[in-house]
Amino acid sequence: DAGVIQSPRHEVTEMGQEVTLRCKPISGHNSLFWYRQTMMRGLELLIYFNNNVPIDDSGMPEDRFSAKMPNASFSTLKIQPSEPRDSAVYFCASSLALSGASTDTQYFGPGTRLTVL
Amino acid sequence: AQSVAQPEDQVNVAEGNPLTVKCTYSVSGNPYLFWYVQYPNRGLQFLLKYITGDNLVKGSYGFEAEFNKSQTSFHLKKPSALVSDSALYFCAVRDYRDYKLSFGAGTTVTVRA
Repeated sequence: DAGVIQSPRHEVTEMGQEVTLRCKPISGHNSLFWYRQTMMRGLELLIYFNNNVPIDDSGMPEDRFSAKMPNASFSTLKIQPSEPRDSAVYFCASSLALSGASTDTQYFGPGTRLTVL
Repeated sequence: AQSVAQPEDQVNVAEGNPLTVKCTYSVSGNPYLFWYVQYPNRGLQFLLKYITGDNLVKGSYGFEAEFNKSQTSFHLKKPSALVSDSALYFCAVRDYRDYKLSFGAGTTVTVRA
């Protein structure tokens, strides 16, 4: 099992540029989560997809952030335009949610470290 | 609302000594509890979880955790720590009716040789 795959692992960009982070969940998993980790705020849930449909995007900080899941094996998180305060580690996680049960375990990818200059 | 508290930012132990990382939680319904470990520049790795049943849960790498409902705690333990256990540990809770996982702030464990 390859686990959750994220790319790129590191991204350095300048303020105002568009940034796209990518995630491939574990095959067969039907739930996908995007998190942001910072020293100040810890781990924050940004958005949750179930069966490719966004269920909860209340954690998305502002309109500059958007996420898509066009199919079961791919998701993107886009920031446009990026700002220095977006600098963080962004994690993608997936799980197998059976009939809405919440006993499932979320498995995390290695993360993308984003630096906005 | 659900939340997790990890009262210790750092835990330092000598190799071979017992390791305990504390976690208390607050949730309105039945809790599902998780421990994750994060090594430098890596993602979170799942260690163990409590859903129901036996209060003592055994997980990966020799770790175990004890669910205590009366004290609303879920402390992580290892009988004999290794230097390689040095990492950042996160406790997380989810209400049984919800999908959202709430994480604690994390505890940095340092095991000295």
